Amino acid sequence: AQTVTQSQPEMSVQEAETVTLSCTYDTSESDYYLFWYKQPPSRQMILVIRQEAYKQQNATENRFSVNFQKAAKSFSLKISDSQLGDAAMYFCAYRSAFHGQNFVFGPGTRLSVLP
Amino acid sequence: DAGITQSPRHKVTETGTPVTLRCHQTENHRYMYWYRQDPGHGLRLIHYSYGVKDTDKGEVSDGYSVSRSKTEDFLLTLESATSSQTSVYFCAIRGRGRTEAFFGQGTRLTVV
Repeated sequence: AQTVTQSQPEMSVQEAETVTLSCTYDTSESDYYLFWYKQPPSRQMILVIRQEAYKQQNATENRFSVNFQKAAKSFSLKISDSQLGDAAMYFCAYRSAFHGQNFVFGPGTRLSVLP
Repeated sequence: DAGITQSPRHKVTETGTPVTLRCHQTENHRYMYWYRQDPGHGLRLIHYSYGVKDTDKGEVSDGYSVSRSKTEDFLLTLESATSSQTSVYFCAIRGRGRTEAFFGQGTRLTVV
């Protein structure tokens, strides 16, 4: 079974600075999808960014970018120019492209943004 | 935003009572999921559905059942609620051929 690990339960960053959240996963499959979801205090789960494993190019969405290292099974999220509204729980998630249709989530990283 | 609604948003119930949570979608998406969120565990899959009347168990399915008699509705039932089922429950949907899932607002369930 696939597992997703987020080794940083909590992190903090100064406003306008850059922060990187770590995620590693375990799988024997070659084709899959990876995601970062954000959960602000409102509890809503919001998709931040996604990456297809067959794409070598790292995904980018405005201030959010990933560092996808397939061989190392690592998928980190970089937030540039951090804003107060970035404060939230961030979950890394995995979904196989073939076997099953389920999403496997990591335990989450709580990000605080300091003014 | 994906059209997905969970009801109720909050519920307090007593140990031993049955509870049903509803997930309703207006997107005609094929896949629907129920997850529970607990501190330190992230989201864990309870049950999922890949079509009307087609459901399967997830990793934490004990004590839960589901039904999907219509594309738009996916019901989660706690047959006899226990305090260990106090949690936040999320429904999610995914369209066929789509990569990501979209989530409902969550239901906070407290079993006393």
